[in-house]
Amino acid sequence: SAVISQKPSRDICQRGTSLTIQCQVDSQVTMMFWYRQQPGQSLTLIATANQGSEATYESGFVIDKFPISRPNLTFSTLTVSNLSPEDSSIYLCSVLGTGGTEAFFGQGTRLTVV
Amino acid sequence: GENVEQHPSTLSVQEGDSAVIKCTYSDSASNYFPWYKQELGKRPQLIIDIRSNVGEKKDQRIAVTLNKTAKHFSLHITETQPEDSAVYFCAASKDNDMRFGAGTRLTVKP
Repeated sequence: SAVISQKPSRDICQRGTSLTIQCQVDSQVTMMFWYRQQPGQSLTLIATANQGSEATYESGFVIDKFPISRPNLTFSTLTVSNLSPEDSSIYLCSVLGTGGTEAFFGQGTRLTVV
Repeated sequence: GENVEQHPSTLSVQEGDSAVIKCTYSDSASNYFPWYKQELGKRPQLIIDIRSNVGEKKDQRIAVTLNKTAKHFSLHITETQPEDSAVYFCAASKDNDMRFGAGTRLTVKP
């Protein structure tokens, strides 16, 4: 299994500012995943972060809006930049367990943009 | 890429009844199919999974079936209890690429 500590758990931000979300894993993992979950909706993959290389972004998500850092095998950050009310959502990080199957999630960051 | 469709979006059952949630996937190369339960305000957690070389798997009141030919899989919950109320997500995965269905909000009425 993997234990992920994600913070902050929630934040209220002004338009035009940025929020950086951190995820710390209790074991070394090759890939970390960042998801967005809008209220009552599914988990939408934003990007996959590999240590030592640039993140791979899904269609509809761009690096300028969602820059990701992956400085080592246990840590990653996602920044949501130039915030607008449409960015209000829950953001979750995730890793795969041993064997690359079961996904483990952080507790999520509830972002509200005002 | 993979596309996972999930039905129904909401499901309400009486305590003790069974609940069935169905998913279809598009990529025949997908080989791992987990189901996640997400309670209100909490993170998704794995409840059961199945690999493509297995047709059915059961864990107490929960079972999953997979039809590779038709590319669909289902979650079956028997003897439902109020604590089963949550949102359930199916997913299809290959090569560390996991895609989720839209989710089913299950309500079990006492």
